[in-house]
Amino acid sequence: EVQLLESGGGLVQPGGSLRLSCAASGFTFSSYAMTWVRQAPGEGLKWVSAISGNAGSIYYADSVKGRFTISRDNSKNTLFLQMTDLRAEDTAIYYCANFLRLRFFDSWGQGTLVTVSS
Amino acid sequence: EIVLTQSPATLSLSPGERATLSCRASQSVASYLAWYQQKLGQAPRLLLYDASNRATGIPARFSGSGSGTDFTLTISDLEPEDFAIYYCQQRVNWPPTFGQGTKVEIK
Repeated sequence: EVQLLESGGGLVQPGGSLRLSCAASGFTFSSYAMTWVRQAPGEGLKWVSAISGNAGSIYYADSVKGRFTISRDNSKNTLFLQMTDLRAEDTAIYYCANFLRLRFFDSWGQGTLVTVSS
Repeated sequence: EIVLTQSPATLSLSPGERATLSCRASQSVASYLAWYQQKLGQAPRLLLYDASNRATGIPARFSGSGSGTDFTLTISDLEPEDFAIYYCQQRVNWPPTFGQGTKVEIK
């Protein structure tokens, strides 16, 4: 069974940084592209970033480009999202998901809440 | 970026009825469209991908159709657990985008 477990969320001040992790199990992690999707409170879904299985291809939404960095450690089956220069509009639940064929979000974690507020 | 518009915003139906949800793209997405279900307080779940292929474990009452710019999700016989928000999503090009969602509520 595929399991994705996010961690690292919390309350951070504007301009601050946070690192999210997503521990994966139940599938061959290195064979799958992975992605982050976020959902602001009461809002819809927005894609944030994606990374191919070997980390050779990386993609970002314009809204986070230059501030967020996606990475992965295939030896530890873990996906990361380093977030810097956080803004109030980054407040959301952040979900990791495996990215089927780099097109569709297959299995999802339960999410971790990031709150940016002073 | 491609804009996906879902209609209606809310669908009020009774268990056993058929639900028909629409998703329209601002430009062609070929068949690179997926549908997700999200229940309150839960993560989304992939229902259909490539417009009409059911994901693993998804019941046959969920079906999808369409290509190009117009897509439909049909739930043939609503079960109590089907009342949720449904999102469409495309990835014909970058960035992937989602529709704003259709809420299927109990009438």
